[in-house]
Amino acid sequence: AQSVTQLDSQVPVFEEAPVELRCNYSSSVSVYLFWYVQYPNQGLQLLLKYLSGSTLVKGINGFEAEFNKSQTSFHLRKPSVHISDTAEYFCAVRTNFGNEKLTFGTGTRLTIIP
Amino acid sequence: DTGVSQDPRHKITKRGQNVTFRCDPISEHNRLYWYRQTLGQGPEFLTYFQNEAQLEKSRLLSDRFSAERPKGSFSTLEIQRTEQGDSAMYLCASSLRRDRVTDTQYFGPGTRLTVL
Repeated sequence: AQSVTQLDSQVPVFEEAPVELRCNYSSSVSVYLFWYVQYPNQGLQLLLKYLSGSTLVKGINGFEAEFNKSQTSFHLRKPSVHISDTAEYFCAVRTNFGNEKLTFGTGTRLTIIP
Repeated sequence: DTGVSQDPRHKITKRGQNVTFRCDPISEHNRLYWYRQTLGQGPEFLTYFQNEAQLEKSRLLSDRFSAERPKGSFSTLEIQRTEQGDSAMYLCASSLRRDRVTDTQYFGPGTRLTVL
């Protein structure tokens, strides 16, 4: 079984400041890693994913994440945030076999302070 | 490609009533997933289909819940005798599995259920 831990439930950041949202996972098998964003009353939109290859992954809206196998982490970063980045961010993992269901963390609410 | 759609977007019902939700996946996608998201939590897996076959159901899915995907296209999720604990956002996602490789899951906007 897999599990995902997002330690920060809320992260307030000033506009144009950098941000890092932390994600750690646990799995006995190889997994794929994802970050999704959820705006109020909407579904989930894929920000970026790590399947294999380069451990630094770039996504939409200027976000990037780095896969660190030794630390079992997949932290999300953005060098300069905007008001429009205010949303809930979910880290998720899945295997590449079987049901391939996504296992999500509890989410981090990013609030941008003007 | 119009994305994953769900209907209705919101449903308010009284305890004990039955409700049915519909999901239309991206047209060529052969896998379809249902998740449930409660307030302050991440989505949790409920069940999934490969074409029309329902291959797995989570233990979260009590016998009051049933899902179908009759022709391998759209899917329905029915909840019988709703309880207040069923209040949640129900999310549908679809993906394409081909040549033993599965693409990303794309999510619909969700159906928010409120049981009074």
